[in-house]
Order: sequence, then structure tokens, then C-alpha cells
Amino acid sequence: SQQGEEDPQALSIQEGENATMNCSYKTSINNLQWYRQNSGRGLVHLILIRSNEREKHSGRLRVTLDTSKKSSSLLITASRAADTASYFCATDTAGNKLTFGGGTRVLVKP
Amino acid sequence: DTGVSQNPRHKITKRGQNVTFRCDPISEHNRLYWYRQTLGQGPEFLTYFQNEAQLEKSRLLSDRFSAERPKGSFSTLEIQRTEQGDSAMYLCASSPSGRGDTIYFGEGSWLTVV
Repeated sequence: SQQGEEDPQALSIQEGENATMNCSYKTSINNLQWYRQNSGRGLVHLILIRSNEREKHSGRLRVTLDTSKKSSSLLITASRAADTASYFCATDTAGNKLTFGGGTRVLVKP
Repeated sequence: DTGVSQNPRHKITKRGQNVTFRCDPISEHNRLYWYRQTLGQGPEFLTYFQNEAQLEKSRLLSDRFSAERPKGSFSTLEIQRTEQGDSAMYLCASSPSGRGDTIYFGEGSWLTVV
């Protein structure tokens, strides 16, 4: 069963716009990790946010975590065509493995 | 740091044949994971190792699947008597210790069973 569920499932935006995707999960977590996956490729790690953190930034990426609502969001600012990919959240509940959601497919149109 | 390396990247096999995938984790990473991903879905956990010990196996890992990490370094995932339903991308990942660490993934090995 999936722990995390991303919303929306798909997102289409124009280059330069911001993209926001959300992740909800069901049980308490140690940390939550966001990944990017280009078509047919492996997963690229973006950000890890721990359960005692509320917000983290990395370049054009901003991740928030609300443990009371069991949700996280990933914001990509000033999107580029190269940001076109699937984005996955993954939760670490017991410090031993990640459980992934179904992903958000982002299309950035030039 | 060369990242997680997986071989082969692509494998086409006939139903009933055996296939083996190899994973070389990031140097000195004690944890090694195998995941499976089908088209349009998120990765699903198969199994993980702490050094050479296999600590957890998913129910997805049927009797036809076996994973090893003999010396706590590289790992192999073998699928015996492949079925069309085994067609997927098999992802390997590693982390330093596993306790809340960042988990790094390889490029995956695509399996097509015809």
C-alpha cells in the first residue's frame, strides 16, 4: 500500500511559472524525501526534510512539512523546460526504507 | 563519488528464462535497497540489506526472486522463470546507514519479458 499520495497527478505550466505539488501520508514519519524522475531514468534526490523541520530550501525548490496534517508540499519557482519530469514524495517511517506515492507528472511548456 | 551503478541497463528476455541484475552502491554505504517500478507508478519496495544481511523482504518478492549481497558491497537480484508480469524497472539504492539518511538511487535496470 502507498504511504504517500501526490496531488495533482499531473500539472502543466508555462516556463517561468511556479509549480506546486502536494503529498499526503497516513502514519508518523521520521523524514520525507522528494525525488525527480525524468522519463525512463532513475530517481534524483531533491530534498530530505525531517519530522522536526517545517521548511527547507534548495535553489529554486522549497519544501514544507506539516506533521499535524500529515502533508508536505514541493514548490518549484521560475520553472524551466528542464524541470519537466515526474516528482515523487517518499516517506521514511521506521528509519529503514522509503514508501513512495504515485507521483506528479509536471510538464513545463516553453 | 560515482553514484549507484546498475547493470545491465536494459534486458529483454523470453518468458521462462532467468535474469540477473547487478548493483554497485556508493562506496562505504552500508544500506542497499531494491525497488521495482512499473510504468506510471511509484517505486515499490522489494528488499534491503544492512551490509551483507538481508533484513526485510516485501511480499512482492516471490519465491522466484532472490537477492544477495555476499560481501556487503555489490548486490545481485535474480529472477527465475520470468513472467510477463515481471516486466518493470528494477531500481537499486543505497544509503550510509539507513537511519534517516538520504537514499540515493541508480539509473535502474529495465526488464522486458516477451
